[in-house]
Amino acid sequence: AQSVSQHNHHVILSEAASLELGCNYSYGGTVNLFWYVQYPGQHLQLLLKYFSGDPLVKGIKGFEAEFIKSKFSFNLRKPSVQWSDTAEYFCAVNAGGYNKLIFGAGTRLAVHP
Amino acid sequence: GAVVSQHPSRVICKSGTSVKIECRSLDFQATTMFWYRQFPKQSLMLMATSNEGSKATYEQGVEKDKFLINHASLTLSTLTVTSAHPEDSSFYICSARMTREVGELFFGEGSRLTVL
Repeated sequence: AQSVSQHNHHVILSEAASLELGCNYSYGGTVNLFWYVQYPGQHLQLLLKYFSGDPLVKGIKGFEAEFIKSKFSFNLRKPSVQWSDTAEYFCAVNAGGYNKLIFGAGTRLAVHP
Repeated sequence: GAVVSQHPSRVICKSGTSVKIECRSLDFQATTMFWYRQFPKQSLMLMATSNEGSKATYEQGVEKDKFLINHASLTLSTLTVTSAHPEDSSFYICSARMTREVGELFFGEGSRLTVL
C-alpha cells in the first residue's frame, strides 16, 4: 500500500533561516507528488506539484522541492523563511493508477521573528 | 484559483442525530470529490471518493452506512453523518478536482463537527 512519511513533526526556525522538510513515499512506480500548506485558520492550498520533467520544482512564495526517484523523496525547501511561513505543511502522493491522494502526517513550522 | 466552499463550518449536535455537510465547487465543475477526516494534530485521512452520478468508493474501515455521501451534481457533494456519536467529532474536509484523472485538488474550509 502507498504511504507517505514526513520526518519532522515540528520545526522551529528563526526568520531568514533555511528550511528543508523531508518527505518519503513508498511506491515503486510512477508517482505524482504534491506539497500543500495550511496557514492558521485557513484551508489547504497547493504549494507545488511534480508530475514529470525537471525534478526540481518551483512553487509559490519561494518554495521549491526536489524529486529524487532513487531515494523515493520529495523534500521541500526554502532558502530564507519568513514569519508568514508559519503553517502546517503536508506532502501528498498519488501513485500511478490510483485515483486519490495519500497525505503525510504533516509538519508544523513555526517561524520566530 | 478554483474555490470550494463547505457549509456549515461548525456544527454541534446531540448524540443520535444526523448531520449533513455540504461541499460546493463555486466556479468549476467537479467531476470528482473527496472527503477527508482530520483528527487533531494528525494528517488527513481519506474517507471516500465520489464521482458525479456514481456511488462513492469508501476507504477500508469507513462505514458507508454511517457516512452517507451523495454527489448528485457537478458542483455539489454532501456528507451525512448518521446517528452521530461523540467519537464522530472531528474536522471534515472536502476537496474537488476538475477531472477524473490525477490533478490538483482544491480544498474546502473544513467543517468542525462536535457531537455532545
